[in-house]
Amino acid sequence: EPEVTQTPSHQVTQMGQEVILRCVPISNHLYFYWYRQILGQKVEFLVSFYNNEISEKSEIFDDQFSVERPDGSNFTLKIRSTKLEDSAMYFCASRKQGINEQFFGPGTRLTVL
Amino acid sequence: SQQGEEDPQALSIQEGENATMNCSYKTSINNLQWYRQNSGRGLVHLILIRSNEREKHSGRLRVTLDTSKKSSSLLITASRAADTASYFCATEENFGNEKLTFGTGTRLTIIP
Repeated sequence: EPEVTQTPSHQVTQMGQEVILRCVPISNHLYFYWYRQILGQKVEFLVSFYNNEISEKSEIFDDQFSVERPDGSNFTLKIRSTKLEDSAMYFCASRKQGINEQFFGPGTRLTVL
Repeated sequence: SQQGEEDPQALSIQEGENATMNCSYKTSINNLQWYRQNSGRGLVHLILIRSNEREKHSGRLRVTLDTSKKSSSLLITASRAADTASYFCATEENFGNEKLTFGTGTRLTIIP
């Protein structure tokens, strides 16, 4: 069964460094999302992406964040200058047109030191 | 309370018993979804109920939705040790606004 994949599974970085989190959505899906979950807290929406542009973003998704679909398969989240409070589990999700169910990847645990 | 509050926060039951988790929300919704998360892992979609539906079944899962009370419940019947996980409700607020707003989750432990 097709699934969303994410790399790396765990990323450790120094504060102020740039990180790129990678996702490969399910191949026939058209809508893509990033969420994050700070340890012990709720899963929070970051951004949705459709037709090569951002369709919605949350207050969390400030100028330090960007998303890109550089080719036909990858979907990336870049954090330009990481802060300690960016430490969280980051989940990518995708869904098909006309279907509400979102399929989530296994997540990338980002640790900012 | 915030959008998507589950109760209880934690629930421990004996294997074979039924587990019921509740979720409340604040805004008008298009649908409500339940997800499972095993410790430190990704989110697995369990079931979706639309705003015009009142009850839905899938295997051992039964979901109800009361839009007048802005609440939903998830019932897992004949629980198994493998059901041990955190369960989250997530609401999709308006058609076309496809972001999911997650609740705080219920940590379910099934005691063998």
